[in-house]
Amino acid sequence: NAGVTQTPKFRVLKTGQSMTLLCAQDMNHEYMYWYRQDPGMGLRLIHYSVGEGTTAKGEVPDGYNVSRLKKQNFLLGLESAAPSQTSVYFCASKRGDSSYEQYFGPGTRLTVT
Amino acid sequence: KQEVTQIPAALSVPEGENLVLNCSFTDSAIYNLQWFRQDPGKGLTSLLLIQSSQREQTSGRLNASLDKSSGRSTLYIAASQPGDSATYLCAVDSNYQLIWGAGTKLIIKP
Repeated sequence: NAGVTQTPKFRVLKTGQSMTLLCAQDMNHEYMYWYRQDPGMGLRLIHYSVGEGTTAKGEVPDGYNVSRLKKQNFLLGLESAAPSQTSVYFCASKRGDSSYEQYFGPGTRLTVT
Repeated sequence: KQEVTQIPAALSVPEGENLVLNCSFTDSAIYNLQWFRQDPGKGLTSLLLIQSSQREQTSGRLNASLDKSSGRSTLYIAASQPGDSATYLCAVDSNYQLIWGAGTKLIIKP
């Protein structure tokens, strides 16, 4: 039981390049989330999903797209990376309604030059 | 709009002391509140989750309280150890989303 895994762990992009971050969970959780964490700040929600085939915008969705084609996977895409997207990205999942805790992946450190 | 604040931003105490970390939130309509620990360059570890109907939760040397009416939660750490040094984050579950404080960086001096 691996929990929540994220691929890749580190990545460096040039401005304008695109990439996809993969989040996978093996706990059969319904809800999945993508956050970003900048230095000295708490996490901010980018997008989330309450079930397979659904996605919704969070607090800071601009410049990102997501897809949840399979229940266990939640993909975060950057179509045209910008230096402002340099951050640590965390994925999380939760079993169901709001009575349950979120479980987090180890994070992806992204640098855009 | 829900806002979460953690004070102080940093705290340094000698080993063995008991200490309290504070978390306040502006909207009392929450489902639950979670406390997390984050070590430098690492992911997040969930410490305690308090449901909105509960007043406190305990795990080992940690005790978290919740007062929804005043919009406050505290994390009490008993008999602190150097291994407790980390950043502690609180987050409130509000309308499908976790809203986060910026964290308190805790240093326990041997």
